[in-house]
Amino acid sequence: EDQVTQSPEALRLQEGESSSLNCSYTVSGLRGLFWYRQDPGKGPEFLFTLYSAGEEKEKERLKATLTKKESFLHITAPKPEDSATYLCAVCRDGGFKTIFGAGTRLFVKA
Amino acid sequence: DAMVIQNPRYQVTQFGKPVTLSCSQTLNHNVMYWYQQKSSQAPKLLFHYYDKDFNNEADTPDNFQSRRPNTSFCFLDIRSPGLGDAAMYLCATSRTRLAGEGVQFFGPGTRLTVL
Repeated sequence: EDQVTQSPEALRLQEGESSSLNCSYTVSGLRGLFWYRQDPGKGPEFLFTLYSAGEEKEKERLKATLTKKESFLHITAPKPEDSATYLCAVCRDGGFKTIFGAGTRLFVKA
Repeated sequence: DAMVIQNPRYQVTQFGKPVTLSCSQTLNHNVMYWYQQKSSQAPKLLFHYYDKDFNNEADTPDNFQSRRPNTSFCFLDIRSPGLGDAAMYLCATSRTRLAGEGVQFFGPGTRLTVL
């Protein structure tokens, strides 16, 4: 069964303290891995898609990487406005369904 | 701006009283999805429409129904809400449902409270 596990469940950082969020996945034939950001009381907002091991994508202070078993979302010198829940999701080759993880809640304190 | 709109943003209903949630999109996307998200949990797909083709998830209770009268609108009907149906309901769209290519655009969600 396809599964996505994110860790940690919650992460508290000081402003400027870099860290990484982990997404471990089990899927037979990964077609794509997605990262979304979700602010409280709002819908998820797309950040990145990764397709193959070794691929990396960057956006401002965020960098997403992918291996055959997991993905990392690296946050460099975070700011309070980066506080949100970060969701990881996968699509299986030949499938139509996106499987989401429960997310990592990130809190960045000024 | 092209977007996904959900109404109402907050809905309070009584146990067993039918409720309808609305979603509209200006993106002209072929695929529309309904997700249920409970606190600190992953969004759970209830069903999706690919154009007019309805696709129900195997574990979606019969209590949940959906209608898509045209490309722009999609409705979620909860026939007899129970306390366990209290959640955030998210509508999303994508241009394609091809695996890995269907980046989804989400609406702001409707928070459903069941009394």
